[in-house]
Order: sequence, then structure tokens, then C-alpha cells
Amino acid sequence: SAVISQKPSRDICQRGTSLTIQCQVDSQVTMMFWYRQQPGQSLTLIATANQGSEATYESGFVIDKFPISRPNLTFSTLTVSNMSPEDSSIYLCSVGTGGIGKLFFGSGTQLSVL
Amino acid sequence: SQQGEEDPQALSIQEGENATMNCSYKTSINNLQWYRQNSGRGLVHLILIRSNEREKHSGRLRVTLDTSKKSSSLLITASRAADTASYFCATDAGANSKLTFGKGITLSVRP
Repeated sequence: SAVISQKPSRDICQRGTSLTIQCQVDSQVTMMFWYRQQPGQSLTLIATANQGSEATYESGFVIDKFPISRPNLTFSTLTVSNMSPEDSSIYLCSVGTGGIGKLFFGSGTQLSVL
Repeated sequence: SQQGEEDPQALSIQEGENATMNCSYKTSINNLQWYRQNSGRGLVHLILIRSNEREKHSGRLRVTLDTSKKSSSLLITASRAADTASYFCATDAGANSKLTFGKGITLSVRP
């Protein structure tokens, strides 16, 4: 299992600003995942954060908008850049275990952009 | 695009009743999982069933998988108010492949 600390838990931001979300895991993990959950919707994978290399982004998501850092095997950040109201969502980090696909999630960051 | 599609979209039951939620998917899978999400927080893993399994139990949870119909069901027996949450099925196509989540089912359990 893995315990994930994600912060901030919520924030209200102004249009055009940026927010960095942090995700700390209590054990070393190879891959960390960042998801977005728009209001009332399911989870959409933004990118996979790989330690020592650039993140792998899913279709529709770009590095300039969602830069990701992964400095070591227990930590990652996701930045939501130049925010607009359409970025209002819950952002979730997660980690996998041993290749079987089970994910552990952080508690999420609820972002509101005014 | 979502792989899993749950139904119903919303379910309201009385405490003590059983809740059955269904998930259908489109392509071959390695395993199927169910997650719970309380009040827009992080998801909690409930149960995983592999493609070569047909049924699995965990406490009050029972999951079935029918790969010929590409469908799964999650049964929660003797529901409690604390079971009120959104439930998501998620599928993956193989080792280290990404999980794809369904749209989710909102379950309300009335005390």
C-alpha cells in the first residue's frame, strides 16, 4: 500500500495565475499519475510522471499548460498554468503498485478559478 | 475516451437493502477494478477482479465479471448510510497500462 499526501486540498484562484499542486508518497514508486476530474465527471488522465525523464502527456494535455516535475521517487508536482474558469476541477495524484494496476490516490485538490 | 460505462447513473436505496451497480466496457481487459469516492475526495480502491476470474468477494462486496458480455457488477449487501458515495469501475489492458475510468454511479443510502 501507499500513503499519499496531496496539497493544497483546495484553492480559489484568479484567472491568469498558476497553481502548483504537490504530491508526496510514503514509499518509492516508479510511476505517479495525475488525473483531472471535472465537476460531476469521471477521471481523465493528464499525464504520467516519470522519475528522471519528462512526463508523458495524454491527448489533449500539453506540458506548457500542465508542467510536471518528478525530482525523486517519492515526490511530484503538477502546475496548472495561466488558469481559466474551465480549469476548475479536482486534481488527483495517484501511484500504482507492482504492475497489477491497483492505484492509490491522494485526497485531491479542489480548484476553483474565478 | 471512457472504457467503462456504469449504470445506473444514480441509485437511491434504503439502509439495509442491497445495491447493485453495473459496468460495461468495450475492449479486452487484463483486470477490472471498482473504486469509491466520497464527497469529491480521493478514490479508494475497493476490489480488483482479473480477467480469468468470474466472481470475487470482499466483506459486504461481491463483484462478478463476464468477459463474454464485457460487463461487471458490484453488489453491496446490507447497505449502510456510510456507503453513500460515487462508485467507479476502471479497466486496464495489461501490465503497466493506464487505468481507464467509467463515468461513475452516485449511490445514496437513506438512513
